Amino acid sequence: GAVVSQHPSWVICKSGTSVKIECRSLDFQATTMFWYRQFPKQSLMLMATSNEGSKATYEQGVEKDKFLINHASLTLSTLTVTSAHPEDSSFYICSAPIGQGVYQPQHFGDGTRLSIL
Amino acid sequence: KNEVEQSPQNLTAQEGEFITINCSYSVGISALHWLQQHPGGGIVSLFMLSSGKKKHGRLIATINIQEKHSSLHITASHPRDSAVYICAVRSEGNYQLIWGAGTKLIIKP
Repeated sequence: GAVVSQHPSWVICKSGTSVKIECRSLDFQATTMFWYRQFPKQSLMLMATSNEGSKATYEQGVEKDKFLINHASLTLSTLTVTSAHPEDSSFYICSAPIGQGVYQPQHFGDGTRLSIL
Repeated sequence: KNEVEQSPQNLTAQEGEFITINCSYSVGISALHWLQQHPGGGIVSLFMLSSGKKKHGRLIATINIQEKHSSLHITASHPRDSAVYICAVRSEGNYQLIWGAGTKLIIKP
């Protein structure tokens, strides 16, 4: 069964709307979660690293004020796309490593397809 | 040049054929992942390798650390294997993944 739950799976909304995407770890605690974005026919790109209890680390070129990340608990990270515009339409996916240490596997949410009209 | 290169980009084969997808990387890694992305976008982790070879059902993954190369093999391919297969490496010392562009595999019945 899924170990990382991502919600919603599909969002269609008007330009200017803020959209929140949730990523939950099931049956394990995730001090770190990752948020990725994938444009059509392109590779996944890391947007930010979400750290429980502290500020997220954003990759170069990703607007912090545009993509708000909150990791308030050990099982939940949220990504809010603020004032979304059509160019933000993309596939967003989160992942979380289980356990500590770099040799632990990562588990992925099913992703959220965001379409901004 | 990308840090993770996959080949081929696209692969179409007949049901039953033996499939090989290759991944080369240029950075020091602590682990390499092979993942499968379904048409709807969801990603499933197939293997995580740091050395040698792993097998799960009809899937086999190998890695050669010295040559910085990994291969994913599918034996007795089936149309349900049609998906995008992605190689991703975890750079030394952290969790972050560096992604290959993916290989789109279509298996025809």
